[in-house]
Amino acid sequence: EVQLVESGGGLVQPGRSLRLSCVASGFAFSSYAMTWVRQAPGKGLEWVSGISGSGGSTKYADSVKGRFTISRDNSKNMVHLQLNSLRAEDTAEFYCVKGTTSGFNDAFDMWGQGTMVIVSS
Amino acid sequence: EIVLTQSPDFQSVTPKEKVTITCRASQSVGTSLHWYQQKPDQSPKLLIKYASQSISGVPSRFSGSGSGTDFTLTINSLEAEDAAAYYCHQSSSFPITFGQGTRLEIK
Repeated sequence: EVQLVESGGGLVQPGRSLRLSCVASGFAFSSYAMTWVRQAPGKGLEWVSGISGSGGSTKYADSVKGRFTISRDNSKNMVHLQLNSLRAEDTAEFYCVKGTTSGFNDAFDMWGQGTMVIVSS
Repeated sequence: EIVLTQSPDFQSVTPKEKVTITCRASQSVGTSLHWYQQKPDQSPKLLIKYASQSISGVPSRFSGSGSGTDFTLTINSLEAEDAAAYYCHQSSSFPITFGQGTRLEIK
């Protein structure tokens, strides 16, 4: 069974950092691009960042570029998102998402249950 | 950035009705347009990929069509379990973008 399980969310003060993790199972992890998508409370979906299967290529939304860093460890079937300089507007559910191929530009066929990040003083 | 505009934002429908949700892109995305369903307190689920390709396990009443800038998600013979938010998503170019969502309420 394909499964994605996120962790690392929580309550954090503005300007501080947080590291989100996602462990994958049930598929050949290194063969697929992985993505983080977020959803602010009561709002729609926003693409945050993506990483290729090898980890050699990454992409970021302008809203997080320079503050967030995506990485992956294929030996552990994990993908991470380092969140720095957090702002109130980063408050959201963060979903770990699997693409349908090794490329970035693809549909998302598996979503984790999400991990909530709340940025507040 | 490619902006995706869905219509309507909200629709209240009765069971067995046929529902059509549209997604218009600000520039051509070819067929790199996908549809998701998100039920309350759940993660999104892929319904249709590449405008019209069906997904294993998704009921056949869900179908998609379109190319370029205009796309449609059709739900034939709506069921009560279809109450959800629906989102389109383009993977043609970065940044990847989603439509604002369409919320379906079942009367």
